[in-house]
This record gives sequence, structure tokens and C-alpha cells, in this order.
Amino acid sequence: AQTVTQSQPEMSVQEAETVTLSCTYDTSESNYYLFWYKQPPSRQMILVIRQEAYKQQNATENRFSVNFQKAAKSFSLKISDSQLGDTAMYFCAFKRSNYQLIWGAGTKLIIKP
Amino acid sequence: EPEVTQTPSHQVTQMGQEVILRCVPISNHLYFYWYRQILGQKVEFLVSFYNNEISEKSEIFDDQFSVERPDGSNFTLKIRSTKLEDSAMYFCASSGTSGNAGELFFGEGSRLTVL
Repeated sequence: AQTVTQSQPEMSVQEAETVTLSCTYDTSESNYYLFWYKQPPSRQMILVIRQEAYKQQNATENRFSVNFQKAAKSFSLKISDSQLGDTAMYFCAFKRSNYQLIWGAGTKLIIKP
Repeated sequence: EPEVTQTPSHQVTQMGQEVILRCVPISNHLYFYWYRQILGQKVEFLVSFYNNEISEKSEIFDDQFSVERPDGSNFTLKIRSTKLEDSAMYFCASSGTSGNAGELFFGEGSRLTVL
């Protein structure tokens, strides 16, 4: 069975600093997708970044980038130049095509002014 | 930009009552999902739906739950006899078939409070 582990329940950094959120997963599949979702206090689930497992190149979206290590089954999220609006719960998730998302427990990220 | 919409945003109900949560997925998507998140806990998968039938469901999705797509646009989750432990945020999501096949687009959620 697939599992997703986020080992950091909560992290706190100063505004403008860089922060890395860790995520590991377990699967026997070779083709899958990985996601980072952001859930601000409004509770809406917002996609931050996604990575297809067959792509070796790490995905980037502006200040957000991932370090995808397929052999190690690791998928960390790096947020550069953090902003107050980045304060939220961040969830790592795993998905086989057209199957359910499997979620990590989440990391609460607090950006301090 | 197309989006998934959910109604109601918040519903309060008495234990034992029936509740219907509604979702309008993105129009060209073919895969639909319900997830729930009990306050402070992990997001949990409930059910996925494709081609007018359930394709996968979790242990949570027991006989008190049902889904349907009555008119080709709405995707509903019905809870027949609500229990206190059904209090949660319920998220609807949809996904396409190619290109973004792996990506789910979520609605803003429906908060259900069972008293």
C-alpha cells in the first residue's frame, strides 16, 4: 500500500528566508504523480506544485521548487523568499493516474514578520 | 479560469438527518472525487466516480453514503443519517483524462457540522 510521510508537524521561519518541507513516500509503482497542496486558514486546498515520476527534472513554480529523489522516494518542497501569505498547512500527496490521492499528515508552516 | 464549485459552504444539521452536498466539477473533466477532512486531521479519500459509476471507495464510504451525477453537471454526496463523527470539511475534486490526468482540482469545501 502507498503511504506518504511528512515528518515535520510544524515549522516556523522569518519572512524572506528559505524553508524546506520534507516528504517521503512508499510505493511499488513506477508511474505516479506527486503534489504539494497548500491549505490556508480559509481551508481551500490549493495546488502548489506537481511532479510526474517519469520526469527527472525537478518542477519549479516561481518561488516554489521541489527536490524529487525517485530512488530515495523523497519529494521535498523548497519555498524561497518566503512571504507572510505562505503561512498555511502544506500537504504532500501521492497519486497513481485516476486513482485516489494519498495524503501526508501535513506540515504547518508559519512565516513570521 | 475554470473551477470546481461546492454548495453549501457550511451546513449545520441534527444527528440522524439527511444531508446532500453539491459540487459542480470543471466541465470537461471526467473523474470526480469526494474527500473529507475532520478538523485537525489528515485528508481522507471517500470515493471516486467515473463514467456514471463508483470506481473506487474507501472504508469510510459505507452504506450511509452515496454519490450521483443526476444531470451531467452536478456531482452530489448524500449522507443518509448523519452522525456526530461526520462533522468535517468535505472537498469535491475533479480531474481530466490527458495531460493533467494526475492533477485534481479542488473546490473550496463544504463544512458540515452535525449536532
